[in-house]
Amino acid sequence: DTGVSQNPRHKITKRGQNVTFRCDPISEHNRLYWYRQTLGQGPEFLTYFQNEAQLEKSRLLSDRFSAERPKGSFSTLEIQRTEQGDSAMYLCASSFYSDPEAFFGQGTRLTVV
Amino acid sequence: GENVEQHPSTLSVQEGDSAVIKCTYSDSASNYFPWYKQELGKRPQLIIDIRSNVGEKKDQRIAVTLNKTAKHFSLHITETQPEDSAVYFCAAWPNQGGKLIFGQGTELSVKP
Repeated sequence: DTGVSQNPRHKITKRGQNVTFRCDPISEHNRLYWYRQTLGQGPEFLTYFQNEAQLEKSRLLSDRFSAERPKGSFSTLEIQRTEQGDSAMYLCASSFYSDPEAFFGQGTRLTVV
Repeated sequence: GENVEQHPSTLSVQEGDSAVIKCTYSDSASNYFPWYKQELGKRPQLIIDIRSNVGEKKDQRIAVTLNKTAKHFSLHITETQPEDSAVYFCAAWPNQGGKLIFGQGTELSVKP
């Protein structure tokens, strides 16, 4: 499968714990995006990278959220001190630079209990 | 920044009827407008897109129209089938913005 891959698919964690998600984009794509989706809503932009550079981070993203793409390939999204409001589907997408056609991964569903 | 509004939030049609979903956007610099279909528990999948240099694009039973003056675009599905049942999202790409901005989604239900 040469599509966007996300791991894990599901994560249940206790409030206050840290979690980390991984995204492997389509290999030729140099842009990588993270979105969050809650039930009944459209994907909400979190942050995006071009190669290893993080070009934009949503103002909605608190300091508990951090993302990296150290070698311009896979990316990780970490949430520290999780809260119940963090429960959502976290989607990753990738595209070519300056080509907006983006392809999504299956997502990681986070449940904070 | 860009803002995308999508209507209706739910749409129920009989099999064989047509379905239309409408979106408006705020940033006149936006130049790319994709539509994604998301089935329950699955990833959003791109089904059709349109760029600002054309007014209409068709792909079999689906079509998208764009009115740049009014800043709105629509998805048209003809001869709907039960497998068209899903949530549909529109999005807009602000030319200098670097990321897609999504509408709130439309849950389409096609009744046999």
